[in-house]
Amino acid sequence: DVVMTQSPLSLPVTLGQPASISCRSSQSLVYSDGNTYLNWFQQRPGQSPRRLIFKLSNRDSGVPDRFSGSGSGSDFTLKISRVEAEDVGVYYCMQGTHWPNTFGQGTKLEIK
Amino acid sequence: EVQLVQSGGGWVQPGGSLRLSCTVSGLTFSNYWMTWVRQSPGRGLEFLANINQDGSEKNFVDSVKGRFTVSRDNIKNSLYLQLNSLRAEDTAVYYCANYPQWYFWGQGSLVTVSS
Repeated sequence: DVVMTQSPLSLPVTLGQPASISCRSSQSLVYSDGNTYLNWFQQRPGQSPRRLIFKLSNRDSGVPDRFSGSGSGSDFTLKISRVEAEDVGVYYCMQGTHWPNTFGQGTKLEIK
Repeated sequence: EVQLVQSGGGWVQPGGSLRLSCTVSGLTFSNYWMTWVRQSPGRGLEFLANINQDGSEKNFVDSVKGRFTVSRDNIKNSLYLQLNSLRAEDTAVYYCANYPQWYFWGQGSLVTVSS
């Protein structure tokens, strides 16, 4: 199985400051169709995961534009340009290129 | 509004069985592959299985193959996960979601396996 490794696992951030989460895969996530099936999810306390970013860098409807996804091959990043209080939660990367889909361990974002 | 409403979680002894349900509204259920995933403190988010639109194709990860089965009823707009031969390590919150988009999720069902 493809191993997804996130860092850091804990991310204390001051309100209004940027935040960055790294995700590395044990294999390239470029599929034969040329797409990179890398998703980012946010899970707020007590809630189900919510997809934020799909296919590497596409923001979902309703997701603030302060969230952005980037990367290539096996190295990916989720960036939040200015952290707000509602961003508290755990963030997961997930690969959909290889069977079975696998998730990172999660990065817990908290306000400093 | 799309809703995935789950039911059927609870406490069960090791070796026991449980069936989880996921009833979908607000979208054409029969058009979608669906999936089950679970989340536990020790194992994080773990993909379990998926099923195609008419239920003719089902895929499972090795850790649950032979113990869990997935099915669907497109008349009732419902997805099911049958959990058999349960072990303590199956204790988790189980989620249904659409596949491979992972955009719509159920609210989760807690399954506790303990004597």
